[in-house]
Amino acid sequence: KQEVTQIPAALSVPEGENLVLNCSFTDSAIYNLQWFRQDPGKGLTSLLLIQSSQREQTSGRLNASLDKSSGRSTLYIAASQPGDSATYLCAVDTNAGKSTFGDGTTLTVKP
Amino acid sequence: DGGITQSPKYLFRKEGQNVTLSCEQNLNHDAMYWYRQDPGQGLRLIYYSQIVNDFQKGDIAEGYSVSREKKESFPLTVTSAQKNPTAFYLCASSIWTGEGYTFGSGTRLTVV
Repeated sequence: KQEVTQIPAALSVPEGENLVLNCSFTDSAIYNLQWFRQDPGKGLTSLLLIQSSQREQTSGRLNASLDKSSGRSTLYIAASQPGDSATYLCAVDTNAGKSTFGDGTTLTVKP
Repeated sequence: DGGITQSPKYLFRKEGQNVTLSCEQNLNHDAMYWYRQDPGQGLRLIYYSQIVNDFQKGDIAEGYSVSREKKESFPLTVTSAQKNPTAFYLCASSIWTGEGYTFGSGTRLTVV
């Protein structure tokens, strides 16, 4: 059974800092890995989707990498802003549509 | 604009009542999903459907029921058999299984 871990559970950084969020998974036979952002009381917004054949994806200040052999993905946020404050979740698809979600990392960016 | 609409945003249920949460999508996606989220936790899969008139149980299906009579709609009924229904419920869809999710804005259900 796939297990997904996100460490740390919470992170606080000053504005302008570059930061890395981590996602670890136990079963490397995955279809894809997706990173989401969730604001309090809201649904999930997709940030980046990495297919199993890809090593990374980029969108603006965000870069996600995938290393299947080590069971790890990282989400890199450059030049963080207070508006980046949210909970970030990763979802790992190992059964063609049935993803396993991590518990998320809650990020606070202080002005 | 294409997307997923969940309604209502807030729902209150009395003990012993069944309630139905609505999920509608106009993305022409084949697959639809229902997840439950409890405070400080990740998402747990309740039910999913890959095609009209077919659906499968997820990890926590007990006390819930679904139907998929139309491609666009995947309503979730929380029955009185669900002993701890207070949670945030999220509906999602995907083009086909394995292509990433699009989520709705969620329904917060509270038992009163």
